[in-house]
Amino acid sequence: EDQVTQSPEALRLQEGESSSLNCSYTVSGLRGLFWYRQDPGKGPEFLFTLYSAGEEKEKERLKATLTKKESFLHITAPKPEDSATYLCAVQAGSGGGADGLTFGKGTHLIIQP
Amino acid sequence: DGGITQSPKYLFRKEGQNVTLSCEQNLNHDAMYWYRQDPGQGLRLIYYSQIVNDFQKGDIAEGYSVSREKKESFPLTVTSAQKNPTAFYLCASSTSGGAGDGELFFGEGSRLTVL
Repeated sequence: EDQVTQSPEALRLQEGESSSLNCSYTVSGLRGLFWYRQDPGKGPEFLFTLYSAGEEKEKERLKATLTKKESFLHITAPKPEDSATYLCAVQAGSGGGADGLTFGKGTHLIIQP
Repeated sequence: DGGITQSPKYLFRKEGQNVTLSCEQNLNHDAMYWYRQDPGQGLRLIYYSQIVNDFQKGDIAEGYSVSREKKESFPLTVTSAQKNPTAFYLCASSTSGGAGDGELFFGEGSRLTVL
């Protein structure tokens, strides 16, 4: 059974204080790993897709990296508007389509001014 | 602008009633999905459809039903058989097959509360 574990569950940072969120996974043949951002009371918003170990993607203050067992979402010099819940999901290689996605429970990030 | 529209945003239901949540997309995506989100849990798949007039059960389909008569629309009915329907419901769409088919576009969600 595919599993995704995100840590920490919650993280409070000061504005400008860089940190990383972790997504550990076990899956039978990784097809893709996805990061989403979710604001309170809203639907998730897609951020990144990573396909193979060693791959990195960047967007503004966010950088996502991937190894064979985990992914990190690095946040550099965060601002209060980066406060959100960050979700990680993995897609197994056994079949196509987003019906094969397994989501983690998310990391709730708060950036204090 | 292209996107996914869910309605209503908030819905209250009495026990024993069926309710239908609307989901419309203008992204020309073939695949559509319904997820349920509960506090402290990951998103769980209820139903999905990869083509018009066809849909499949997800991990937690019991007590729910769907239809896919048009490419743009994928309504979800929460029936009285669903024992714990209070939750945040999310509709999503994606391209079907190939690289990037795990990149979901989500609606704003519908929050259902059973009184």
